[in-house]
Amino acid sequence: QTVVTQESSLSVSPGGTVTLTCGLRSGSVSSSYYPSWYQQTPGQAPRTLIFSTDKRSSAVPDRFSGSILENKAALTITGAQADDECDYYCGLYMGGGIWVFGGGTKVTVL
Amino acid sequence: QVQLVQSGSELKKPGASVKVSCKASGYIFTSFSINWVRQAPGQGLQWMGWINTNTGVPKYAPGLTGRFVFSLDTSVSTAYLEISSLESEDTAVYYCLRERYSYGQREFDSWGQGSLITVSS
Repeated sequence: QTVVTQESSLSVSPGGTVTLTCGLRSGSVSSSYYPSWYQQTPGQAPRTLIFSTDKRSSAVPDRFSGSILENKAALTITGAQADDECDYYCGLYMGGGIWVFGGGTKVTVL
Repeated sequence: QVQLVQSGSELKKPGASVKVSCKASGYIFTSFSINWVRQAPGQGLQWMGWINTNTGVPKYAPGLTGRFVFSLDTSVSTAYLEISSLESEDTAVYYCLRERYSYGQREFDSWGQGSLITVSS
């Protein structure tokens, strides 16, 4: 069974920078996994922030960026704001029409 | 604009069945696949599978039991998720998503608002 790993929680100061990562328990993440990132505030449906490693979805501010760092997908929030405090999930495409999500990272802005 | 509108919350007893609908608008329904994702209370996202809206062929996540069935009614641009023999562990919010694949990019570019299914006696 494929396991996608994410930090359970991270904190960042207002205006600061934080990087979330998305890895595989077995293996390295590359762009061939079409890494994607989703933001979810409490009680709301998730929304897509980043797809295909580094492409921002419609209306996503440029303080969110995606990349590959040291064999993991990464989401960097630059200039964190109070309303960035929520849950973030990554998704990886495993091929054959199959996707897997990570367990999510709770980001606190304090 | 692209919209996915899902059916409302439902309370079901164990052993019953439920059918969640996902009505698409603002685009050609058969041009994009529909994926299903669920989220149990306080838990993360679980990808359940997808259905090819052009052929009607579904693909289920490994380990997803036969109690889950994806279907379509293309005449009304609607995808369905039916769950039979409901168990308490099926209590979750179920989301439908549109997947766009073009020019080598893959994106879930539209999410439904979610349908809360509660299974309780």
